[in-house]
Amino acid sequence: DIQMTQSPSSLSASVGDRVTITCQASQDISNSINWYQQKPGKAPKLLIYDASNLETGVPSRFSGSGTGTDFTFTISSLQPEDIATYYCQQYDNLSITFGQGTRLEIK
Amino acid sequence: EVQLLESGGGLVQPGDSLRLSCAASGFTFSSYAMNWVRQAPGKGLEWVSTVSASGGSTYYAHSVKGRFTVSRDNSKNTLYLQMNSLRAEDTAVYFCAKLKAGTTGFDYWGQGTLVTVSS
Repeated sequence: DIQMTQSPSSLSASVGDRVTITCQASQDISNSINWYQQKPGKAPKLLIYDASNLETGVPSRFSGSGTGTDFTFTISSLQPEDIATYYCQQYDNLSITFGQGTRLEIK
Repeated sequence: EVQLLESGGGLVQPGDSLRLSCAASGFTFSSYAMNWVRQAPGKGLEWVSTVSASGGSTYYAHSVKGRFTVSRDNSKNTLYLQMNSLRAEDTAVYFCAKLKAGTTGFDYWGQGTLVTVSS
């Protein structure tokens, strides 16, 4: 199975900061990676699909990039409402795995 | 408006069985693959199972293969997860999720139903 190594596991940043989270796949997954935001007690929310496409209704400060094995998720200017845990997810030949998650906190 | 509503969770003993349901509305259910994803208390997300739009193809995580069975009734717009031989490590909130058309992302999720396996 394809493993996803997500880092960091936790992150503290200030409002307005640029925040970057990375995911590395154990093998080439082309662009089959998605990014989710999960707030406590809530279901995950799709933010970015297929590596770099912004889901409808998601603010443009969220973005994704990468292909192959190395992927990046960026929040260009952190807002207080972005406090959450973020997950990457790969989908390759019906083997689906999530990264371990990144817990984002405000300084 | 797309809605996914899970039900059927509860407290069971190790070795017991349980069937979860996910009632879908607001979209053409029979056109989309559907998924189950779980989250153990305080832990990350774990994919459990996928069923194709027709129900003819099913896929499972290694951790549940042979014990769980995913199915769907397109006439009732409902997704199911039959869970047998439950173990303590199956304790989690179980979410159903819709696959976004033409992509690999899950664009709609239910609110989740808690399954607790404990003696």
